[in-house]
Amino acid sequence: DAKTTQPPSMDCAEGRAANLPCNHSTISGNEYVYWYRQIHSQGPQYIIHGLKNNETNEMASLIITEDRKSSTLILPHATLRDTAVYYCIVRREQGAQKLVFGQGTRLTINP
Amino acid sequence: GAGVSQSPRYKVAKRGQDVALRCDPISGHVSLFWYQQALGQGPEFLTYFQNEAQLDKSGLPSDRFFAERPEGSVSTLKIQRTQQEDSAVYLCASTREVTHEQYFGPGTRLTVT
Repeated sequence: DAKTTQPPSMDCAEGRAANLPCNHSTISGNEYVYWYRQIHSQGPQYIIHGLKNNETNEMASLIITEDRKSSTLILPHATLRDTAVYYCIVRREQGAQKLVFGQGTRLTINP
Repeated sequence: GAGVSQSPRYKVAKRGQDVALRCDPISGHVSLFWYQQALGQGPEFLTYFQNEAQLDKSGLPSDRFFAERPEGSVSTLKIQRTQQEDSAVYLCASTREVTHEQYFGPGTRLTVT
């Protein structure tokens, strides 16, 4: 599975959009981009995933560049409860496959 | 509905003791994963079950680590002769066979003294 690169930490003001970048320059054509987050003392939580097209759900939006070498997770109106470590993961196939986590980005939402 | 549950939530073991960590996946979930998360690090894959079959145990760090899922539901991760480097949070996740999303439990924090 392709390696991902994320900034180690970011800050964002409450109520503003949080934009979390991820580089995955070696991604293959059949690999998906997944985002999970881990709030302190909890297990990771799935947020969103995509292959080529931009995706949106009730939690976030995922913007994938045309060459698919990078993506951005957008939390449109960040709240204090969004403070967490966010992991960008590239995975080869759908279905039951292990997740390979990196270091992630520690996002702090400030009041 | 109920999510993935793990017990105990916290375990302190003396070096050399054996421990058993339990995972109750979401009912009907075919696949079950164990991950180990050291302090300040992302989770690392240990092993994977599809029903009762252990299809991948490539992440188990040593032969002291053993996992089972005899009836295809509850799983137990056993660590024999615990060492200080085994101190970590052990996470369990389950998934329906063809879904993208892994559902994680809260983890068991193991401290070996």
